[in-house]
Amino acid sequence: EAQLVESGGGLVKPGGSLRLSCEASGFTFSNVWMTWVRQAPGKGLDWVGRIKRKTDGETTDYAAPVKGRFTISRDDSRNMLYLQMNSLKTEDTAVYYCTTGMSEGFAIWGQGTMVTVSS
Amino acid sequence: DIVMTQSPDSLAVSLGERATINCKSSQSVLYSSNNKNFLSWYQQKPGRPPKLLIYWASTRESGVPDRFSGSGSGTDFTLTISSLQAEDVAVYYCQQFYGTPLTFGGGTKVEIK
Repeated sequence: EAQLVESGGGLVKPGGSLRLSCEASGFTFSNVWMTWVRQAPGKGLDWVGRIKRKTDGETTDYAAPVKGRFTISRDDSRNMLYLQMNSLKTEDTAVYYCTTGMSEGFAIWGQGTMVTVSS
Repeated sequence: DIVMTQSPDSLAVSLGERATINCKSSQSVLYSSNNKNFLSWYQQKPGRPPKLLIYWASTRESGVPDRFSGSGSGTDFTLTISSLQAEDVAVYYCQQFYGTPLTFGGGTKVEIK
């Protein structure tokens, strides 16, 4: 069974940093593009960014609000996806989900990890 | 950026009745090279991650009940629940895969009348 498990969330002060991890299992991780999506409390879904597979250049794309502050990376040898978040702001408070899919939709989602940015 | 606008924000439907949710994109999400609309629909229940229902605007994901259907092309799309069941109470989102940033609609909350 395909599965994604996020970890690394927590409470951090404004201006601080946090690294989220997402462990994949049950599918060929190196073959897929991976994405981070977040959801602020009581709000809708926001795309954070994605990383393509190595054969597509392993390039990254980011949403404007996080560009320059967040970095997505992957380790195919460990089936791991990462989200390095720097210069965190209160508006980054959200549940962060990792997910995978391309034009066929995001079919696999993790359970999410909560990030709270507060002084 | 492609803006996705859903309507209504919420709707209450009687059990067994039809629920219709609309989604409009600010530009076409029809990919001409394969004639597919890069538009997906998701269902999200409280405290749970989203669940993929429909992709390419009208293709039902494996395991999704056939009371869920998607239609539309270009910029106008519809998700229909043909006979609402109690377990369908949720928030529904559309999303475009045509271009980055990938964008979601604001969500439609479906409740039982």
